[in-house]
Amino acid sequence: QSVLTQPPSVSGAPGQRVSISCTGSSSNIGAGYDVHWYQQLPGAAPKLLIYANGNRPSGVPDRFSGSKSGTSASLAIAGLQAEDEADYYCQSYDTTLSGSLVFGGGTKLTVL
Amino acid sequence: QVQLVQSGAEVKRPGASVKISCKASVYTFTTYILYWVRQAPGQRPEWMGRINPGNGNTKYAQQFQGRVTITKDTSASTAYMELSSLRSEDTAVYYCARGSMAETLPLDYWGQGTLVTVSS
Repeated sequence: QSVLTQPPSVSGAPGQRVSISCTGSSSNIGAGYDVHWYQQLPGAAPKLLIYANGNRPSGVPDRFSGSKSGTSASLAIAGLQAEDEADYYCQSYDTTLSGSLVFGGGTKLTVL
Repeated sequence: QVQLVQSGAEVKRPGASVKISCKASVYTFTTYILYWVRQAPGQRPEWMGRINPGNGNTKYAQQFQGRVTITKDTSASTAYMELSSLRSEDTAVYYCARGSMAETLPLDYWGQGTLVTVSS
């Protein structure tokens, strides 16, 4: 099954800006499929953070933004806060194996 | 606020089956697709399958074909996921999540998760 690749960890001090990459291939992101991002706090279910590359659901602060280019996508978090410490996952659609949802390996964000 | 409430944690022996429920509320059950996603400890989420509560149509991820069955009870606004022939590698948190018929769209609401432990 095709997968999406993310850095295992990123960190930043409060107030700083960090970004998390998500690299796919020609069967998913590179084929034009949208990328969605989820935030998973410790012990909780994933929560939709960014959908369709750069859109925020209602209630998500505008400190969170997303973009997509070619076979990659990126999540940026500005003005880091302690409560942002979580795991972040990208997700897209892949055309292999009769079509499936695929997730990135996750990135652990540590707020220093 | 949309709610997806799942059944409680399960402990199963290898070779057994497990059936998890997911009750939907605060939206029309038949107008959204329900997906099942599992997450093994420290691993990425993994899509298992989905059901259209409107007509019962299902689609399963290839790696679970033959072992997973997703059903629904429309009158109870509840979906079920049954996984058979359990092995230790199936130990994970299992989530239901609301999505759309178009699999390119996001999973906008998730259940709280059900921990399934497979151990002899």
